[in-house]
Amino acid sequence: DVKVTQSSRYLVKRTGEKVFLECVQDMDHENMFWYRQDPGLGLRLIYFSYDVKMKEKGDIPEGYSVSREKKERFSLILESASTNQTSMYLCASSSLMTGGTQPQHFGDGTRLSIL
Amino acid sequence: GQQLNQSPQSMFIQEGEDVSMNCTSSSIFNTWLWYKQEPGEGPVLLIALYKAGELTSNGRLTAQFGITRKDSFLNISASIPSDVGIYFCAGRPSGGSQGNLIFGKGTKLSVKP
Repeated sequence: DVKVTQSSRYLVKRTGEKVFLECVQDMDHENMFWYRQDPGLGLRLIYFSYDVKMKEKGDIPEGYSVSREKKERFSLILESASTNQTSMYLCASSSLMTGGTQPQHFGDGTRLSIL
Repeated sequence: GQQLNQSPQSMFIQEGEDVSMNCTSSSIFNTWLWYKQEPGEGPVLLIALYKAGELTSNGRLTAQFGITRKDSFLNISASIPSDVGIYFCAGRPSGGSQGNLIFGKGTKLSVKP
């Protein structure tokens, strides 16, 4: 079974802090994704990566950055946390599949509160 | 950006009843996926569909890739209390970025024992 592990289930930080959310997958997947999930808005893609040291902006990248130094690890960084970044953050990974789309497998999420 | 219309938004049913939900898009999709998310957890993949007309079952769950390639359906038979959760559809539009998915906003299912 695919295992996607997010470093924290719950996190409380203060406005202005730099926040790191870590995600590790154990299936040698090429693709990794970061989403945020808010009531009524569904899942929104923040950033994704198709390879080590590669990153692409998703739909809502403002206020975030990412790092992928190793294939199995994809980090989401809130450069200066703000209260509107309070949300559930979900990491996902999938393998590369020519001509189709492999399902994304999700971690359990990090519920982040910015005070 | 592109959106999926998922309906209904929520359902309140009695244990033992059958459930149907669907997703529609304005464009053709190459892949349809169905996920379930329980409170405090991440979405878990239930069923993946890759061909128009494909019908796939996973226990009491059955999903279909619509013939028009613009819709998909999920049915749950004889619901039980542990079916409670939010069900999401997801898919990749034809010509879309490889690996990226579009998600529906979910159907919240409540089951009364």
